Amino acid sequence: EAGVVQSPRYKIIEKKQPVAFWCNPISGHNTLYWYRQNLGQGPELLIRYENEEAVDDSQLPKDRFSAERLKGVDSTLKIQPAELGDSAVYLCASSLNSGSWGGFGDEKLFFGSGTQLSVL
Amino acid sequence: RKEVEQDPGPFNVPEGATVAFNCTYSNSASQSFFWYRQDCRKEPKLLMSVYSSGNEDGRFTAQLNRASQYISLLIRDSKLSDSATYLCVVNPASGGSYIPTFGRGTSLIVHP
Repeated sequence: EAGVVQSPRYKIIEKKQPVAFWCNPISGHNTLYWYRQNLGQGPELLIRYENEEAVDDSQLPKDRFSAERLKGVDSTLKIQPAELGDSAVYLCASSLNSGSWGGFGDEKLFFGSGTQLSVL
Repeated sequence: RKEVEQDPGPFNVPEGATVAFNCTYSNSASQSFFWYRQDCRKEPKLLMSVYSSGNEDGRFTAQLNRASQYISLLIRDSKLSDSATYLCVVNPASGGSYIPTFGRGTSLIVHP
């Protein structure tokens, strides 16, 4: 079974440039998450999708960040314009569901390999 | 106070040692608890779910203490390959909140 697929693996851009990340979750997983991880810190949630609906996006800096999950499958996360402080690893994860319904344990997260973003 | 707190370490132990990590959480309504392992420059991978009764998987034992709001991970007979960062994850998984929240991780270094 294919895991969570993310691209690109690395991205180097100059500040004020736009950048986009792509994620394809595990087939059949309804819930998709975008996390950001800074060096020496744990991942921090940016946005969570239940199918195509964004249900937790309070931590997403909406002035420059946007995300979409059309058709409830793959997702893109965009930053425009990028700032120096956006340098981090952007991780996509999926789970069977969020635990809001269904079996206990369905909310286990499976991560993609992440995108290392460097803003110069 | 952070929602999920971990001692960042590093814990530096010799091969064969037993080492334990604790993780405290602030949301008493939390229902789901996990330990993830993250190798350098890699993504987090699920190590263990943590059940109310505690659970064991080979050399790894996870326990939950709801009264004191902490979970623990015990590693026995440490191997060099256990060197990694161990992330604690807490998910309310109830009451409309389903956000898996990570601690900052505890770094483990196992040396020969």
